Amino acid sequence: TQLLEQSPQFLSIQEGENLTVYCNSSSVFSSLQWYRQEPGEGPVLLVTVVTGGEVKKLKRLTFQFGDARKDSSLHITAAQPGDTGLYLCAGERRETSGSRLTFGEGTQLTVNP
Amino acid sequence: KAGVTQTPRYLIKTRGQQVTLSCSPISGHRSVSWYQQTPGQGLQFLFEYFSETQRNKGNFPGRFSGRQFSNSRSEMNVSTLELGDSALYLCASSPTNWRANVLTFGAGSRLTVL
Repeated sequence: TQLLEQSPQFLSIQEGENLTVYCNSSSVFSSLQWYRQEPGEGPVLLVTVVTGGEVKKLKRLTFQFGDARKDSSLHITAAQPGDTGLYLCAGERRETSGSRLTFGEGTQLTVNP
Repeated sequence: KAGVTQTPRYLIKTRGQQVTLSCSPISGHRSVSWYQQTPGQGLQFLFEYFSETQRNKGNFPGRFSGRQFSNSRSEMNVSTLELGDSALYLCASSPTNWRANVLTFGAGSRLTVL
């Protein structure tokens, strides 16, 4: 059973369109992170949200953490071909032995020029 | 400063063989985590090492093992390879093991098992 459900799994849009990716769970997380991964590379951290209800903006990307710290969304405004990639959300849980991340399966975004 | 370096980047093995993958973390980072990435399962946590000790382990069979050296470099080993072990193996480092939100990933080692 996947602890973090991401939707949609695949998204193909035209340049200039807006889109939202969702990350949902029944578990509460200490923080939630979003990564972007390009072919042949490892994931690169985009943002970390920590507080329930928190909203962070990174240029045309807006990240929101749910009030109950169980879900998150990523909204991209006026998507560009350079936004193409695999977007991954990851929930962090603090355990006695340290911190642990659980990843969603990812959303493969393709922005066509 | 140099990022996380993983070697080899690509390798092909046959069933029954074993493989060792290497990860050099960012200088000063003491925590190293390993993940397996496949199209069907996404990123699955393998294990995490901090100061040469395994602190966390995911739900993988005992064929998957790892270690960390005193210079924080880490290796993972997979014995008796199976077709299903074909995947991208990612290593990530962080300064400590209690702040996962500063993970930096390497580019990965892509293993193909024939």
